Amino acid sequence: EAQVTQNPRYLITVTGKKLTVTCSQNMNHEYMSWYRQDPGLGLRQIYYSMNVEVTDKGDVPEGYKVSRKEKRNFPLILESPSPNQTSLYFCASSPGQGKRNYGYTFGSGTRLTVV
Amino acid sequence: GESVGLHLPTLSVQEGDNSIINCAYSNSASDYFIWYKQESGKGPQFIIDIRSNMDKRQGQRVTVLLNKTVKHLSLQIAATQPGDSAVYFCAENSLPGYSSASKIIFGSGTRLSIRP
Repeated sequence: EAQVTQNPRYLITVTGKKLTVTCSQNMNHEYMSWYRQDPGLGLRQIYYSMNVEVTDKGDVPEGYKVSRKEKRNFPLILESPSPNQTSLYFCASSPGQGKRNYGYTFGSGTRLTVV
Repeated sequence: GESVGLHLPTLSVQEGDNSIINCAYSNSASDYFIWYKQESGKGPQFIIDIRSNMDKRQGQRVTVLLNKTVKHLSLQIAATQPGDSAVYFCAENSLPGYSSASKIIFGSGTRLSIRP
């Protein structure tokens, strides 16, 4: 089944403790992206990647890092999480480098709470 | 600046009736629009899309209308069912330049609830 898999689904952590949220897609998509979803603010892009070793900032990149060493994986790293990073996170992928991003496929989400 | 927004944050519809969800966009250069459905506890799911060279596109029980003159987009759901309960997002594809990745900007969403 074609899908985007995120782990974990739920995570509670403490301020300052580094964490990684994993994302993997099995559709050979070139484009991958991370979004956070907050009440009243909708989906906001954190980082995106056009292909292996090509990443760029989205609208709200502060406090996050990403890497794209393999085509299928796009982990989101929080080096020193803070409470304002408490949110629902989605990874998404779509086919085309340099092409229109028709129809993102989204993961099921990771609900992160930072205390 | 660019923005994609929704007229109503919530919409309550009688089961069996048609639903209409509206969306306004401000970037007149956008030429591709998408509707997503997000059910509770799940990620957004692609429903239907439309390009700016069209004013209407139909899917299974859904129709998207685009009015470029007033920069308005709507999603119509025929014979609304309980399974249609979800948050619906419109999204705008903004292509800043062919050398850059195209970017999808999402609206804040409309919650559709179905009355039995």
